[in-house]
Amino acid sequence: EAGVAQSPRYKIIEKRQSVAFWCNPISGHATLYWYQQILGQGPKLLIQFQNNGVVDDSQLPKDRFSAERLKGVDSTLKIQPAKLEDSAVYLCASSLVRGDPLAKNIQYFGAGTRLSVL
Amino acid sequence: QQQVKQSPQSLIVQKGGISIINCAYENTAFDYFPWYQQFPGKGPALLIAIRPDVSEKKEGRFTISFNKSAKQFSLHIMDSQPGDSATYFCAASKTGTASKLTFGTGTRLQVTL
Repeated sequence: EAGVAQSPRYKIIEKRQSVAFWCNPISGHATLYWYQQILGQGPKLLIQFQNNGVVDDSQLPKDRFSAERLKGVDSTLKIQPAKLEDSAVYLCASSLVRGDPLAKNIQYFGAGTRLSVL
Repeated sequence: QQQVKQSPQSLIVQKGGISIINCAYENTAFDYFPWYQQFPGKGPALLIAIRPDVSEKKEGRFTISFNKSAKQFSLHIMDSQPGDSATYFCAASKTGTASKLTFGTGTRLQVTL
């Protein structure tokens, strides 16, 4: 079974520039998450989709961050304009919606995109 | 009420020793407590998880101990190996369709020879 795919792996931009990250979840996983992991901290949820609808975006800085999941499969996360404090690893994860209560809570993570804002 | 506090921040254990990482939560609505393992350059991967209806769960060398009244849970790694060297995150969530994970701050474990 293929895992969660993310690209690019690394991105370096200057502040005020824009950047986009792409995620392809595990086939059949209806729920998709974007997390921000700042160095030395645990991942923090930015946005959660179920199919192509937003379930939770309460911690997404909506003035600069946006995300979409067209057709309920792939997703993109965009930052425009980037700030220095956006330097972090952006992780995408996916999980099942239906099934055993424990199984559907397992989130499978991609390797992430490391963003450096200079 | 959404915080999960994790300690220690870092841990050095000799090969064959026991590694213990502790977490505490505040939100009594949490009912799913996983531990994730993360190697450098990789995303977190589920190691073991527990529901609050049991006090302990063991999978191989990894054990979760859960104390519902104290709102604490811990990960024990028995016979620690150099390959266990990684960052460990505890997390908590409410099960259901909106199963948002709240992560601890992580523990960097180093197992020495």
